[in-house]
Amino acid sequence: AQTVTQSQPEMSVQEAETVTLSCTYDTSESDYYLFWYKQPPSRQMILVIRQEAYKQQNATENRFSVNFQKAAKSFSLKISDSQLGDAAMYFCAYTPKETSGSRLTFGEGTQLTVNP
Amino acid sequence: ETGVTQTPRHLVMGMTNKKSLKCEQHLGHNAMYWYKQSAKKPLELMFVYNFKEQTENNSVPSRFSPECPNSSHLFLHLHTLQPEDSALYLCASSPHVGGTGELFFGEGSRLTVL
Repeated sequence: AQTVTQSQPEMSVQEAETVTLSCTYDTSESDYYLFWYKQPPSRQMILVIRQEAYKQQNATENRFSVNFQKAAKSFSLKISDSQLGDAAMYFCAYTPKETSGSRLTFGEGTQLTVNP
Repeated sequence: ETGVTQTPRHLVMGMTNKKSLKCEQHLGHNAMYWYKQSAKKPLELMFVYNFKEQTENNSVPSRFSPECPNSSHLFLHLHTLQPEDSALYLCASSPHVGGTGELFFGEGSRLTVL
């Protein structure tokens, strides 16, 4: 069975600094998607970034980037120049490509606090 | 309205009540999902509908009854719930089952069972 593990229940960062959130996963599939979702206090989950397993290049979206290490099954999220609006619960998620969209497996989440 | 809308945002019910959660998506998607989010636990997939047909039931107790009358609307009918069913229920949609895997979520319905 696929599992997603986020070992940091809580993290904090100073405004304008950089923070890295960790995620590891376990799968026997060779092709899959990995995601980071953000859930602010408003509760609406928003996609932050997506990585396709067969792409070696790490995905980047503005201040958000990932460090994808396929052999190590590691998928960390780096937030640069942190802003107060980045404060939220962050979820790492996985889905095998052949069933993507119907079997998203989520981690337990990391609560990020941004200090002014 | 745009996106995925869920109503009500908050619901308190007794164990003998019958209530329903509603989800509506304005994205033209064909797949809709119910997830349960409990404190300190990962999101749990409950049901998947693709083109109005249920394609997945993740061993959910029968006290939760989903209904998908069309691709834009999804309901979760609740009856004789237990206190441990208290959670945030999230609705999501996607263009179809498969594709890029991205889900579009609503803001959730916070359910409290007394």
